[in-house]
Amino acid sequence: AQTVTQSQPEMSVQEAETVTLSCTYDTSESDYYLFWYKQPPSRQMILVIRQEAYKQQNATENRFSVNFQKAAKSFSLKISDSQLGDAAMYFCAYRSRAFGNEKLTFGTGTRLTIIP
Amino acid sequence: DAGVIQSPRHEVTEMGQEVTLRCKPISGHNSLFWYRQTMMRGLELLIYFNNNVPIDDSGMPEDRFSAKMPNASFSTLKIQPSEPRDSAVYFCASSLSLDRTFPYGYTFGSGTRLTVV
Repeated sequence: AQTVTQSQPEMSVQEAETVTLSCTYDTSESDYYLFWYKQPPSRQMILVIRQEAYKQQNATENRFSVNFQKAAKSFSLKISDSQLGDAAMYFCAYRSRAFGNEKLTFGTGTRLTIIP
Repeated sequence: DAGVIQSPRHEVTEMGQEVTLRCKPISGHNSLFWYRQTMMRGLELLIYFNNNVPIDDSGMPEDRFSAKMPNASFSTLKIQPSEPRDSAVYFCASSLSLDRTFPYGYTFGSGTRLTVV
């Protein structure tokens, strides 16, 4: 079974600064997807960014980028130019590409606070 | 598209009562997931359907929980009888899976916050 570990329960960053959230995972598979989801106080789960394991290039979405290290099974999220609206819980998640195994396995989350 | 629609948004019920949570997935999506979120256990999968067929229900806590997907546009999660430990936020999510591709990701509903007193 796959597991996802987020070792930072809480992080804080000054507005406009850069912060990196860590995520490691354990799997015996070679083909999978990785995600970062954001959950603001409204509790809506919002997809931030996704990475396909077969792609070596790190995914980017505007101010959000990942550092995907497949051999190390590491998938960190970097948020540049942090904004007050970035304050939320951030969840790392894993999904197999195996047919019939579509579920997302989530980490325990990192609560990000933005300091004005 | 209005996204994944869940109802009700909040539910407060007394212990022992039956609770039914509802979900309408995004039109065209062929997979539907029910997740539960608690402080103690985080986000955990309860069950998921593909083409209306339950594929993995290993996360369903016990016989008090049941889920159905009678058609591609509707699913229910029922708890009978409810207990205080069932208090949580229940999310429904849907996605489109094509063979081994996964072009559009998951879309989550806004969740139902269930409180059993």
